Amino acid sequence: SQTIHQWPATLVQPVGSPLSLECTVEGTSNPNLYWYRQAAGRGLQLLFYSVGIGQISSEVPQNLSASRPQDRQFILSSKKLLLSDSGFYLCAWSVYRVYTEAFFGQGTRLTVV
Amino acid sequence: RKEVEQDPGPFNVPEGATVAFNCTYSNSASQSFFWYRQDCRKEPKLLMSVYSSGNEDGRFTAQLNRASQYISLLIRDSKLSDSATYLCVVNKQSYNTDKLIFGTGTRLQVFP
Repeated sequence: SQTIHQWPATLVQPVGSPLSLECTVEGTSNPNLYWYRQAAGRGLQLLFYSVGIGQISSEVPQNLSASRPQDRQFILSSKKLLLSDSGFYLCAWSVYRVYTEAFFGQGTRLTVV
Repeated sequence: RKEVEQDPGPFNVPEGATVAFNCTYSNSASQSFFWYRQDCRKEPKLLMSVYSSGNEDGRFTAQLNRASQYISLLIRDSKLSDSATYLCVVNKQSYNTDKLIFGTGTRLQVFP
């Protein structure tokens, strides 16, 4: 069966510090991968999605970046965090080019102080 | 206009009540539709897919109206455990892109 792992679960970082969140998927090949952010009391905002290694599409301009160094690994990064980067970050995967649902990791709750 | 729009609620209903949530989407090329449930401070989890003919899963019924670009979720005989936020999701797929677009969610609170 397929599983998705996301870590860390919680993170408190000072303004201006770097960020690296990692997500890996097991039990499937060539998944679509997504990074979403959910601000407190708000909906899910799609940040990045990827249909293959090295293929990253960005949805909104921001100081975040994403990379997909391996088929089932998706990384969200920032060189310098802002207070507005605080939120609940969720990684998700879905089957490539099939009209199907996505499955989420347990999320990382990031607080920038 | 947002790609997926939902009434944010909250909907406060007593146990046993029937409640309906609505969702509209803007892209007529959308292919797949889902309802997710999100508990407080947790990740969203799939509740059910929405098929063109409408589909039912126990107390939950989902319907799709492509002509009106409208999706609905009906919950019958509400339970306390149904309290959560319900997210309408639209999958927009085209060559080399595949995105899931989430509505902002409708919050449901079921009281005794």
